[in-house]
This record gives sequence, C-alpha cells and structure tokens, in this order.
Amino acid sequence: DGGITQSPKYLFRKEGQNVTLSCEQNLNHDAMYWYRQDPGQGLRLIYYSQIVNDFQKGDIAEGYSVSREKKESFPLTVTSAQKNPTAFYLCASSGVTGEAGELFFGEGSRLTVL
Amino acid sequence: SQQGEEDPQALSIQEGENATMNCSYKTSINNLQWYRQNSGRGLVHLILIRSNEREKHSGRLRVTLDTSKKSSSLLITASRAADTASYFCATDRSARQLTFGSGTQLTVLP
Repeated sequence: DGGITQSPKYLFRKEGQNVTLSCEQNLNHDAMYWYRQDPGQGLRLIYYSQIVNDFQKGDIAEGYSVSREKKESFPLTVTSAQKNPTAFYLCASSGVTGEAGELFFGEGSRLTVL
Repeated sequence: SQQGEEDPQALSIQEGENATMNCSYKTSINNLQWYRQNSGRGLVHLILIRSNEREKHSGRLRVTLDTSKKSSSLLITASRAADTASYFCATDRSARQLTFGSGTQLTVLP
C-alpha cells in the first residue's frame, strides 16, 4: 500500500544525545515536510523540501537538521542544541509543489528526552 | 505563527447531533483545508476549499468559507462516536506551506 512510514514510533533518549527520525514515502511525491506537535497544540513546521537535494527552514528549525538525498526519504535529526525536544513529530508529503496542496501524514514518532 | 485558530477548543455532543467547528485566519489565502487527528495518530486530510469557493460537501461534512470575514466552518452532520477526534484547519500562508491552528477536540458521546 502507498503511504508514509515513520520510525521509530516511540523513542527515548538522554539529554545531549542526537537522534534521527526516519520518514519514507512511496507515493512518488516531490514535497516532504516535518512538523512538531506539542500537547494540545497545533503543528509547527520544522523543515520542508520541494525537491531532492534541496530543503528550507520552517518556523522552528533551530536545533534540527534534515537531508533529502533520495526522493523517498526525508530524515530528521534532533540535535543536542534543541532545548526542548520532547514532542510528537509528524512527517508529511504532498504531490503538489506549486501550491500548498493536500498533505499525507505518517503515524508520527513520539520522542521523550529523559 | 498560528495563521488559523479553531473555535471552540473543545466540543462535546451526543451521537446523532451535528457538530460545528469554526476557523478564523488573519491573512489572505489561496485555499483552506481541514484535517482530522485521532489521539496519538497522524493527521488525515478531510477537505480542501479554495478561496473562490463558498461551500463544499463531502459525505457528512460541509465546509463553508467566508473570505470577507476570514473564517471557515466545518459541519459534521449526524455525528457518530467514531467521529471523536481533534479537527484542525490549515491555511496556505505561502505557496508551499500550510499553517495549522491549535484544533478543536470533538467528543461524541454514545
């Protein structure tokens, strides 16, 4: 089935450690996005990519890094510079690049920093 | 920044009743979208309405858009317990990005 796969679903890390969240899609979409969601709040954009080997910062990029070496993959690294990394992270993709089209979301990765 | 804001923050209704959620936004848009999120899951796209449209239907969903008031509403008719979820509006503040509101938590009581 076509869709977006995020892994791991749950992740625990100690303070000061970097962690990488995986996002893979087989929808042949050009655009991919990373959002952060805190309890009871909406989604905030971390990074997005419209095409392979290119990505842009969103509203809260500090302390995060991404790469887009393949169309199917858009991993997110949460670095030790991120002050409050505990959150629910959502990856999304879109087949529309000229406008903000419908987003297809993965099931999320919940990161807890101990 | 939060472009769209939903109202109310929480809504509790009985099964069979209609549920109405509202979204207000600040700047001009090309389209507005509604998404649903079950607890602990990813978001699912429900409906997209363009700025030149006033109303759109999809099954039990009805979305309206009033660009003069910068507001939209989502109506779910004949609600079911399975409709219990958070509902988010999202607006395209630029050509490539969606901005999400903080959501309405809908609880449908059996």
